Amino acid sequence: ELKVEQNPLFLSMQEGKNYTIYCNYSTTSDRLYWYRQDPGKSLESLFVLLSNGAVKQEGRLMASLDTKARLSTLHITAAVHDLSATYFCAVDSSGGGADGLTFGKGTHLIIQP
Amino acid sequence: DSGVTQTPKHLITATGQRVTLRCSPRSGDLSVYWYQQSLDQGLQFLIQYYNGEERAKGNILERFSAQQFPDLHSELNLSSLELGDSALYFCASTTLGLQGNEQFFGPGTRLTVL
Repeated sequence: ELKVEQNPLFLSMQEGKNYTIYCNYSTTSDRLYWYRQDPGKSLESLFVLLSNGAVKQEGRLMASLDTKARLSTLHITAAVHDLSATYFCAVDSSGGGADGLTFGKGTHLIIQP
Repeated sequence: DSGVTQTPKHLITATGQRVTLRCSPRSGDLSVYWYQQSLDQGLQFLIQYYNGEERAKGNILERFSAQQFPDLHSELNLSSLELGDSALYFCASTTLGLQGNEQFFGPGTRLTVL
């Protein structure tokens, strides 16, 4: 059974600081996704990582994938309040999309002024 | 706005009842997924349909069923409802192959079972 673990699960940080969220998964996969969810809202796709060594950046967020270590990271640079949300990583182990995504428990991020 | 629509937005019902949740995928997407999000279980994959056919099953209870119609909209039927079925139910759609299995989520249906 595929397991996806995120840490930390809760993170309170100050504006302007840097931090990294980690996502470990238990089976071979080269497809990993990061989503953002605001309270009471839907999930918004942030990054799609489809190969070992993939790195994607959007604004103050950067995601990377190491399939050998079965690890993805989401790095936040110079955090701002608007980035407060819950961030999920999800793994697709099917290889062909014939399965649902397996999600981590999410990292609840609060950025304080 | 992801382009995926779900109705209703909220649903309040009693234990033992049956409800139907509806989802329309993004234009052109053939694949529809259903997920349940609850505080204790997190986000769980329930079931996937592709072009009208069931393609994958996750942690879907026997009391739950789904179907996808020729116009590609999908319905999730939940019966003999229990208090523990209270959750957010999301539908997602994708165009397989273009961006891996990147799924676009609808706004969700919040189900409250009293």
